[in-house]
Amino acid sequence: KQEVTQIPAALSVPEGENLVLNCSFTDSAIYNLQWFRQDPGKGLTSLLLIQSSQREQTSGRLNASLDKSSGRSTLYIAASQPGDSATYLCCGESGSTLGRLYFGRGTQLTVWP
Amino acid sequence: EAQVTQNPRYLITVTGKKLTVTCSQNMNHEYMSWYRQDPGLGLRQIYYSMNVEVTDKGDVPEGYKVSRKEKRNFPLILESPSPNQTSLYFCASRTGTLNEQFFGPGTRLTVL
Repeated sequence: KQEVTQIPAALSVPEGENLVLNCSFTDSAIYNLQWFRQDPGKGLTSLLLIQSSQREQTSGRLNASLDKSSGRSTLYIAASQPGDSATYLCCGESGSTLGRLYFGRGTQLTVWP
Repeated sequence: EAQVTQNPRYLITVTGKKLTVTCSQNMNHEYMSWYRQDPGLGLRQIYYSMNVEVTDKGDVPEGYKVSRKEKRNFPLILESPSPNQTSLYFCASRTGTLNEQFFGPGTRLTVL
């Protein structure tokens, strides 16, 4: 069974820091990988999707990469802001059973002014 | 506006009383999926559907049923709800397998 680990579970940093959030899968056969943010009491907002043929994606201050050989993904947040405070979730799609998706438990990020 | 809608948003019910949570998308997406989110456990997939009349079990399908009779709708049915099904439920959809998922706003279910 696929297990997804996100490290760290929580992170509290001052504004302006560059951050690295990690996600790893026990089964490295990941087809797609998507990063989401979730604000308290809210739904999920898609941040970045790394498709099967890609290795990384960038959007503004966010960059996500996927190493398929190891089953690890990294979300890099540059110049963090208080508005970045949220829980960040990674979600991988099984390469052997398309449609089966697995979420990590998230990294709870707090950026203080 | 492209969106995934869920109804109801909040529901309190009692053990054993059948209920249905509806999910609808207006983006003509083939793929739809249901998740539950519990503190400390994260999001877990319940059922998913790759297209009309095609459904498959996710991680935690026990106690749930789904149907996909038309492309836009993917209802989640709890035939005999139990307190351990108290959770926050999310529906999601996407086009095919190479595109991002879009999530509904969530349904908070409490089973007494």
